[in-house]
Amino acid sequence: EVQLVETGGGLIQPGGSLRLSCAASGFTVSSNYMSWVRQAPGKGLEWVSVIYSGGSTYYADSVKGRFTISRDNSKNTLYLQMNSLRAEDTAVYYCASGRRPYFNYWGQGTLVTVSS
Amino acid sequence: AIRMTQSPSSFSASTGDRVTITCRASQGISSYLAWYQQKPGKAPKLLIYAASTLQSGVPSRFSGSGSGTDFTLTISCLQSEDFATYYCQQYYSYLLTFGGGTKVEIK
Repeated sequence: EVQLVETGGGLIQPGGSLRLSCAASGFTVSSNYMSWVRQAPGKGLEWVSVIYSGGSTYYADSVKGRFTISRDNSKNTLYLQMNSLRAEDTAVYYCASGRRPYFNYWGQGTLVTVSS
Repeated sequence: AIRMTQSPSSFSASTGDRVTITCRASQGISSYLAWYQQKPGKAPKLLIYAASTLQSGVPSRFSGSGSGTDFTLTISCLQSEDFATYYCQQYYSYLLTFGGGTKVEIK
């Protein structure tokens, strides 16, 4: 059974850093497109970043230069390193995967709150 | 980045209704479009990819059409479990984007 479990969310002050993890089971992270998608409270879905099976990475303009997506193949885990956090980064962050860059598997989400 | 515009943003409908949601891309995206359903407090669920291909396990009352810049999601006979928010997503560009969402509410 495919499962994605995100961890690492929490309350962080503006300007701080946080690393999210997404542990995958039932498939191989390195063979799939893996993405982070966020949803601010009461708002719609916003794509954040994607890592292709070949290793290429791409970012939304809103996070480029501040966030870094990566994966650890030995742990079958996806990461999102978030630096210079802002209030507008407050959201539920979902990990998602697919064989193409649309996503048929999603985690339950982890809440990141940026506030002083 | 390619902008995806959905309309309407919300509407009310009754069980049994045929409903159509529209998604427009700011530039041509061929058929590189997916549709998702999201219920409150839950992760999105993939319904359709490649504009018109139904994801495995999704009821056949859902259908998608379109190519280029204009796309539609149709629910042929609305069921109680279909009241949710629907999103389109383009994957033509490396920079993926979602539409703003369409909330389908009970009339």
